[in-house]
Amino acid sequence: KAGVTQTPRYLIKTRGQQVTLSCSPISGHRSVSWYQQTPGQGLQFLFEYFSETQRNKGNFPGRFSGRQFSNSRSEMNVSTLELGDSALYLCASSLANEKLFFGSGTQLSVL
Amino acid sequence: AQSVTQPDIHITVSEGASLELRCNYSYGATPYLFWYVQSPGQGLQLLLKYFSGDTLVQGIKGFEAEFKRSQSSFNLRKPSVHWSDAAEYFCAGGGGGADGLTFGKGTHLIIQP
Repeated sequence: KAGVTQTPRYLIKTRGQQVTLSCSPISGHRSVSWYQQTPGQGLQFLFEYFSETQRNKGNFPGRFSGRQFSNSRSEMNVSTLELGDSALYLCASSLANEKLFFGSGTQLSVL
Repeated sequence: AQSVTQPDIHITVSEGASLELRCNYSYGATPYLFWYVQSPGQGLQLLLKYFSGDTLVQGIKGFEAEFKRSQSSFNLRKPSVHWSDAAEYFCAGGGGGADGLTFGKGTHLIIQP
């Protein structure tokens, strides 16, 4: 069974741009969660989707958004990028949002 | 507010020695508790989880953890570490359902030869 796949693996953007990250969950998993990891703040919950609906959202500004498609694949979007958005963005999928399986992440650098 | 605390930022252990990584939680009810491991530049791999029942939980790679309600702790242990165990270890808690996990800041494990 293929694991959680995140693309791209690395991304470099400049301030003010927007970015879209993609996540393909494990086959059969309908829940997809996104986390931001930085050296200073650690791992922080962004949001969780289940069957194309956002069920929960962390404490991030509205510049951070996401969506989930009917095949459970998910995308997250960050608009008007700031230097502080540089981070490893991790996607996790699960059957019932209890046991999370993480992808390798997308390393975003904002210059 | 829900919180998970890992008091040790760095831990250095000799290869073959025993290991204990500390984790304390603060939740209104008994949370779901997890330990994850992360190698450099990689995602997180689940080591073990506690939902309910037996308070001593066995995980992969020879790890175990014990849930102690009286101490609000969920410490990770391994009787004999290997050089390949060097990594970042995260304790996490959640309320279940749609709640996201709350992660500790992590403990960086260094293995001395």
